[in-house]
Formats: sequence, structure tokens, C-alpha cells
Amino acid sequence: RKEVEQDPGPFNVPEGATVAFNCTYSNSASQSFFWYRQDCRKEPKLLMSVYSSGNEDGRFTAQLNRASQYISLLIRDSKLSDSATYLCVVSRGTGNQFYFGTGTSLTVIP
Amino acid sequence: SQTIHQWPATLVQPVGSPLSLECTVEGTSNPNLYWYRQAAGRGLQLLFYSVGIGQISSEVPQNLSASRPQDRQFILSSKKLLLSDSGFYLCAWSIQGSQPQHFGDGTRLSIL
Repeated sequence: RKEVEQDPGPFNVPEGATVAFNCTYSNSASQSFFWYRQDCRKEPKLLMSVYSSGNEDGRFTAQLNRASQYISLLIRDSKLSDSATYLCVVSRGTGNQFYFGTGTSLTVIP
Repeated sequence: SQTIHQWPATLVQPVGSPLSLECTVEGTSNPNLYWYRQAAGRGLQLLFYSVGIGQISSEVPQNLSASRPQDRQFILSSKKLLLSDSGFYLCAWSIQGSQPQHFGDGTRLSIL
């Protein structure tokens, strides 16, 4: 079983729509959780960390459900510039234990 | 603030040639350093990570090697490249394992 699983998509949504991505992780010892954004042929960039109580950054809301071992990312009022691949990342807190999902592709359509 | 530099941005090499990719981090001490490879349309594959000078752990057996000669310098090498070594190579750093990683711009390597 993979450490981190994401729906690869693609998600094609119109501008202004709300879209949600889910990610599941297999190891209950996971400690830290992140969402990254990766544009085509670019490096991944940290979008936001995910905290136990959930957190919001502008149009982006991240949630963590430890009991069910999943993380979600909600994007409200989608912009064309939100088009990218969104990577879910889970860490167990020591050197090499970062686990990346394969990413969910989002295209926002005018 | 911390910055990470990775070069070159693009590299085209013949099969069997050597490789050296360099990554340096500024603005932090004793970072954890990582080398990843991303094949076209695929996820990130961890190749090597280092928690200190001279300390390298390999995640995937292959013809690549890594070295950390200085605290903030991480080098990826190969003596003889294979066609399968083509991909997007990313260097990353983090303060510690529970903190997020930050990536360099990446090197796009094509093997002919």
C-alpha cells in the first residue's frame, strides 16, 4: 500500500468554482502534513502546512482528519492561475520520511 | 531568509558520460538536504538525503551517488549515465524532518 494516495484527476473546473482534493495516508505515525503546488516543468512550492485544527489562507482551506487518515484542500473562487498539480505530502518527522503523493491535476477554465 | 541554488537548469548528456549536479543552501545551518528525481508525468522519487556533512543515505540502488563536502553543499554524481537517468532532478532542504521541504529550481537532464 502506498504511503500517500491522491486522486490524480484531472479536475477541470470553471473560474469561480469551488474544488476540493482529498489525500489519504497509510501510517498513523505521520506527524506533519503539507500541500504543495507544482506548475508544469517547475519545482514544487509549498502552498500550506496542514494543522490539526484546520487552517485557512485566503481562498485555500486545509483540513486534517487523523482518525480517518486523510487530508483535504479546498480552493474557493478558483482563478485561472490556480491551474497546477497539487501534491499532498506527509512526514513522520525524521530525515528521510517525507512521502509525496503523485499529485492531483487542476485546470481552471475561463 | 533562506535560499537554495541548483545548477545547471538544463543539461543534455550522452549515454556513458559523467554527471555532476550541485546544490547550495544559504541562510541556514545544518539543514537536511535531499535529492529527488521526477520522471515525466510521475511523482517524486527520493534518491538521497543527508542530515550532516559526509552523512549520505541512499534510498534507491542505482548508478548515482551523492556527497556533502560542506554543510550547505550537496552534489549528485554519476560516473556513467544511462538512458534511464533522464528526468527532472530536484534538490531540497528542510530545517528538520517535521518542517516542510523547500526545493531548488531543478535540473532537467536529457540523456541521448
